[in-house]
Amino acid sequence: SAVISQKPSRDICQRGTSLTIQCQVDSQVTMMFWYRQQPGQSLTLIATANQGSEATYESGFVIDKFPISRPNLTFSTLTVSNMSPEDSSIYLCSVESGARSGELFFGEGSRLTVL
Amino acid sequence: GDSVTQMEGPVTLSEEAFLTINCTYTATGYPSLFWYVQYPGEGLQLLLKATKADDKGSNKGFEATYRKETTSFHLEKGSVQVSDSAVYFCALKDNTDKLIFGTGTRLQVFP
Repeated sequence: SAVISQKPSRDICQRGTSLTIQCQVDSQVTMMFWYRQQPGQSLTLIATANQGSEATYESGFVIDKFPISRPNLTFSTLTVSNMSPEDSSIYLCSVESGARSGELFFGEGSRLTVL
Repeated sequence: GDSVTQMEGPVTLSEEAFLTINCTYTATGYPSLFWYVQYPGEGLQLLLKATKADDKGSNKGFEATYRKETTSFHLEKGSVQVSDSAVYFCALKDNTDKLIFGTGTRLQVFP
């Protein structure tokens, strides 16, 4: 298993500002995943972050809006840039338990409210 | 594209009642299927999975059977407890290895 810590756990932000979410894993992992869970909706994959390369973004998500860093095998950050109220969501970091297993470990999430 | 549809909640039950949470899927190939659970104040965690047709996943008294003919993976438990109160997510792993989640179903169990 993996223990994932996310910071902040929640924040209230002003429109037009940016916020960086940190994700720390207690073991080295190849891929880290960032999801978004909007109110009343399912989890949506934003991007996959590999150490040493650029993140791979899903359709509808772009690097300018959601820049991701992956400086080492245990840490990643997701920035939500130029926020608007539509960005109010829970953002989740996750890692896979085994390559291509589909079994994910999740952090507790970061709940962002944009006013 | 591939998708997962879950019954809407909340599902409200008394302790020891029988639970069914419906999940159906649409997929072009033969996906693996999962149920994840999110207890209050905690992150999502894997509850059970099934990787091929007719497989039954089970854990903590919960079961789900991969039904290819009805494209379903319904979650069941014979006798729920207050501690089962949580949000349950059905998910599939598509042929690109991505997980696609349903919208989640909140279960509330009262003593």
